[in-house]
Amino acid sequence: GQQLNQSPQSMFIQEGEDVSMNCTSSSIFNTWLWYKQDPGEGPVLLIALYKAGELTSNGRLTAQFGITRKDSFLNISASIPSDVGIYFCAGDSPGSSNTGKLIFGQGTTLQVKP
Amino acid sequence: KAGVTQTPRYLIKTRGQQVTLSCSPISGHRSVSWYQQTPGQGLQFLFEYFSETQRNKGNFPGRFSGRQFSNSRSEMNVSTLELGDSALYLCASSLAKLSGRPTDTQYFGPGTRLTVL
Repeated sequence: GQQLNQSPQSMFIQEGEDVSMNCTSSSIFNTWLWYKQDPGEGPVLLIALYKAGELTSNGRLTAQFGITRKDSFLNISASIPSDVGIYFCAGDSPGSSNTGKLIFGQGTTLQVKP
Repeated sequence: KAGVTQTPRYLIKTRGQQVTLSCSPISGHRSVSWYQQTPGQGLQFLFEYFSETQRNKGNFPGRFSGRQFSNSRSEMNVSTLELGDSALYLCASSLAKLSGRPTDTQYFGPGTRLTVL
């Protein structure tokens, strides 16, 4: 089945550093979404990407939809302690568009040292 | 605008029992999707409902079922619970309107933590 490979699996960084994580797929995706999940809570949408090549920012977060439609990255600049959490990429394939099915990456656990 | 709400937040059941979880989508959202999240398998799609009809289903046994009501609220049911059903069950809603976008962004609720003993 379709899979998303998300890397790195975990990161431990110093406050103020920049962070980069990415997702790749063996098949093309119509949409790339980036979510953040805090312990015991549901994922919260950070950025949504709908077009190949699209670059979108949300505050200190920047994400891009790869030209090949098989990858996406998320950058966090000047990290702060509240950035701690698990970041997930998610997407839907052409066959599943508008049917509510998202494929999720395995997640990147981010820890920030003050 | 209120977000997606799920009830109950926590549930403890024993093997063989059944359970029903509830999800109220964001007002105006017509699509509800359900996901199971476990440490080993991550987030996996269970099924999606739109206008009271199941449009898509993931690779889960028939013990997992769901439905959607006319007000878009949704319930999922798991019968004959197994230890492996212990997980965080997440509900997500989306507008499901023809917006010109290939898909509608999903917004998640806080989840129901199910523990099967």
